[in-house]
Amino acid sequence: DADVTQTPRNRITKTGKRIMLECSQTKGHDRMYWYRQDPGLGLRLIYYSFDVKDINKGEISDGYSVSRQAQAKFSLSLESAIPNQTALYFCATSDRTSLETQYFGPGTRLLVL
Amino acid sequence: QKEVEQNSGPLSVPEGAIASLNCTYSDRGSQSFFWYRQYSGKSPELIMFIYSNGDKEDGRFTAQLNKASQYVSLLIRDSQPSDSATYLCAVTKAAGNKLTFGGGTRVLVKP
Repeated sequence: DADVTQTPRNRITKTGKRIMLECSQTKGHDRMYWYRQDPGLGLRLIYYSFDVKDINKGEISDGYSVSRQAQAKFSLSLESAIPNQTALYFCATSDRTSLETQYFGPGTRLLVL
Repeated sequence: QKEVEQNSGPLSVPEGAIASLNCTYSDRGSQSFFWYRQYSGKSPELIMFIYSNGDKEDGRFTAQLNKASQYVSLLIRDSQPSDSATYLCAVTKAAGNKLTFGGGTRVLVKP
């Protein structure tokens, strides 16, 4: 089984709809991250969390919110989706003892019409 | 100016040749440098990281860091068609801090 899972893997939604992307991990890592990827722009950090009670904004947090429900779960919400939020979204984890290595989930492809 | 810059490519190399990828960064306070490989439609996976000036070798991959010139490079020796992917450079200001990624360089290895 995959160590970092994301649901759904693909999603099509309409402008103005609320949508939640979920991430779960079985690696026991305390740090979790949400990124979005657009062609030619690499990965951009949306939010990150270093433990259950810690939430931090990344470089492009506007229009997004997150919830760290447990050490193993980190959800990303789009309160009112807009077309320029169409992208590939990745969740990642890292451990405090091996901070250099981030393990990525398989990604969620989101299309906002 | 982007914090981390890479040539988007594609970088086309014949099978068996050396692929040379470059990455420049703007923050002199950057301390840790990473190379990730990403196959089309897949998630990034770490190839290697480097902290100190000089070369670091891991199999067919060599990372080179020059902090004075603010660049880090990746050499892929004996390139194989399976090396065809996008290579992402990432930097962090301190151990455990968040990563900043470049836009990636697409590499095509032709048989």
